[in-house]
Amino acid sequence: EAGVAQSPRYKIIEKRQSVAFWCNPISGHATLYWYQQILGQGPKLLIQFQNNGVVDDSQLPKDRFSAERLKGVDSTLKIQPAKLEDSAVYLCASSQSPLSGEQFFGPGTRLTVL
Amino acid sequence: DQQVKQNSPSLSVQEGRISILNCDYTNSMFDYFLWYKKYPAEGPTFLISISSIKDKNEDGRFTVFLNKSAKHLSLHIVPSQPGDSAVYFCAASASQGSQGNLIFGKGTKLSVKP
Repeated sequence: EAGVAQSPRYKIIEKRQSVAFWCNPISGHATLYWYQQILGQGPKLLIQFQNNGVVDDSQLPKDRFSAERLKGVDSTLKIQPAKLEDSAVYLCASSQSPLSGEQFFGPGTRLTVL
Repeated sequence: DQQVKQNSPSLSVQEGRISILNCDYTNSMFDYFLWYKKYPAEGPTFLISISSIKDKNEDGRFTVFLNKSAKHLSLHIVPSQPGDSAVYFCAASASQGSQGNLIFGKGTKLSVKP
């Protein structure tokens, strides 16, 4: 069974630029999550999708971050414009359902904002 | 306010001995707890979980203990192996009202020395 795929693996941009990350969850997983992991911290949930609908985006900085999950499969997370404090690893995870317990994580995208 | 706390940033253990990683939580609504293991440049991988209706769950060399009254859980690894060297994250979720969102601790870096 293929795992969660993410791209790119690394991205370096300058502040005020835009960036987008892509995630392909495990086949059949209805729930998709985007997390931000700042160095030395645990992952923090940004947004949760159930199929193509948003379940929880309470911690998403909506003035600069946006995410979509068209057709309920792949998802894209965008930052526009980026700030220095956005430097982090962005992790995508998926699960069969919101309450299935275990979430499966992709390898993450390491973003550096200069 | 951190709801899940891992107060030891690092732990060093000799190969063959027991590793004990600790986690405390503050939210009494949490009823499901997970441990994830993370190697550098990889996403977290699920290790073991426990529901609040249990006080112990065992899987091979890994055992998780839950003390609900103390709001404390611990992960025991016996015997420890050099391949166990990684960052371990404790995570918690509440089945009511949170859509199963995971709240992570900051992690504990385990080093197992040969």
